[in-house]
Amino acid sequence: QVQLVQSGAEVKKPGASVKVSCKASGYTLTTYYMHWVRQAPGQGLEWMGIINPSGGSTSHAQKFQGRVTMTWDTSTSTVYMELSSLRSEDTAVYYCARETRNSLFAFDIWGQGTVVTVSS
Amino acid sequence: DIQMTQSPSSLSASVGDRVTITCRASQSMSTYVNWYQQKPGKAPKLLIYGASSLQSGVPSRFSGSGSGTDFTLTISSLQPEDFATYYCQQSYNTPRTFGQGTEVEIK
Repeated sequence: QVQLVQSGAEVKKPGASVKVSCKASGYTLTTYYMHWVRQAPGQGLEWMGIINPSGGSTSHAQKFQGRVTMTWDTSTSTVYMELSSLRSEDTAVYYCARETRNSLFAFDIWGQGTVVTVSS
Repeated sequence: DIQMTQSPSSLSASVGDRVTITCRASQSMSTYVNWYQQKPGKAPKLLIYGASSLQSGVPSRFSGSGSGTDFTLTISSLQPEDFATYYCQQSYNTPRTFGQGTEVEIK
């Protein structure tokens, strides 16, 4: 069935980088855009960015300017989100989510989430 | 950026109650609004897309309405499994902003 499986939990020190993976199965990666959304403890959902795995164009929220990189690998049907210069405020659950044009660009499939903890 | 303002931020209701959650957008966006349900420790789940279309597999007690700037999610008869947090989201442009969420609690 269609699913997104993310990499495991990470613990990082302030200033380090983290790279989260999201492996798609049950469909062709390049036919859907992918988004990244994060959720800090006890907080709401925050959109981070979007990648088009067919062509590689990306766009991200202004607050992550210079810190976020989204990439993809069609050979493994995987998208990646790397966040650098980590600070404590980046502690959150990070989700990948598939956008479907058939549903007016809603996010119909979500990964299970990856917990990233930033602590010295 | 488009701001999505949800209300209320939380509510208490009983099984069988009719529940309504509203979302107001800071600019008109036709029907490019979606609703998600999130339970503790789980990823969000798409309930309604395009303001009023029910996602496949979602019970018919969930419905959505609205266009322009004002949108509503209604649960016609609240069930025990519906106690969760609900988010609206706009898919009109980027950044794809979310409302702050509405927590539905058991009365």
